Amino acid sequence: QVQLVESGGGVVQPGTSLRLSCAASGFTFSTSVMHWVRRTPGKGLQWVAVISEDGDEKHYADSVRGRFTISRDNSKKMLYFETNSLRPEDTALYYCARDRCFGCRLFDLWGQGTLVTVSS
Amino acid sequence: DIQLTQSPSFLSGSVGDRVTITCRASQGISSRLAWYQQKPGKAPSLLIYSVPPLQSEAPSRFSGSGSGTEFTLTISSLQPEDFATYYCQQHNSYPLTFGGGTKVEI
Repeated sequence: QVQLVESGGGVVQPGTSLRLSCAASGFTFSTSVMHWVRRTPGKGLQWVAVISEDGDEKHYADSVRGRFTISRDNSKKMLYFETNSLRPEDTALYYCARDRCFGCRLFDLWGQGTLVTVSS
Repeated sequence: DIQLTQSPSFLSGSVGDRVTITCRASQGISSRLAWYQQKPGKAPSLLIYSVPPLQSEAPSRFSGSGSGTEFTLTISSLQPEDFATYYCQQHNSYPLTFGGGTKVEI
């Protein structure tokens, strides 16, 4: 079954960290560009990060650059998102998403999301 | 960053109605705009995009048009399963950006 399953979300205090994970199945993960996209109550959908097939190239939204790190383990078909120095405005449903093709910058497969709530 | 402005943000319609949603970009993005549909409790799903050429993974009642800075998504005849929130997304350059969404309700 072609799917992405996220995990690792939770309720945390400002300034703390969470590691989000995304397990891929049913497709060739190692040849797929992968993204993290979040949905916030106030701002709707926001793209946050992308990683190339081999993990060598990464891009981040300005709002998370320097605090969040995207990584992957192709042998395990896993995508990760290390989120540090969390802020209340990072509260969101975090989706991992597959890029439709190299250079497409489109999301053709999404997980169901993992909820991150940052609150004191 | 490229800003996308969607209008309207809310749309009330009936089954059989023809509806149009507009997405305006703050700068030219050629034809590299995609549309997604999101239903409550579900992940977004890709409807229409332009690589180019214009590609669609949606039923034929959905159509997209535009280039440069102004784009439209049209549903020719609203069906019960079309009541959802629609987002545009530019796939021209990083950072990728989305419009604010249009909620289509009965």
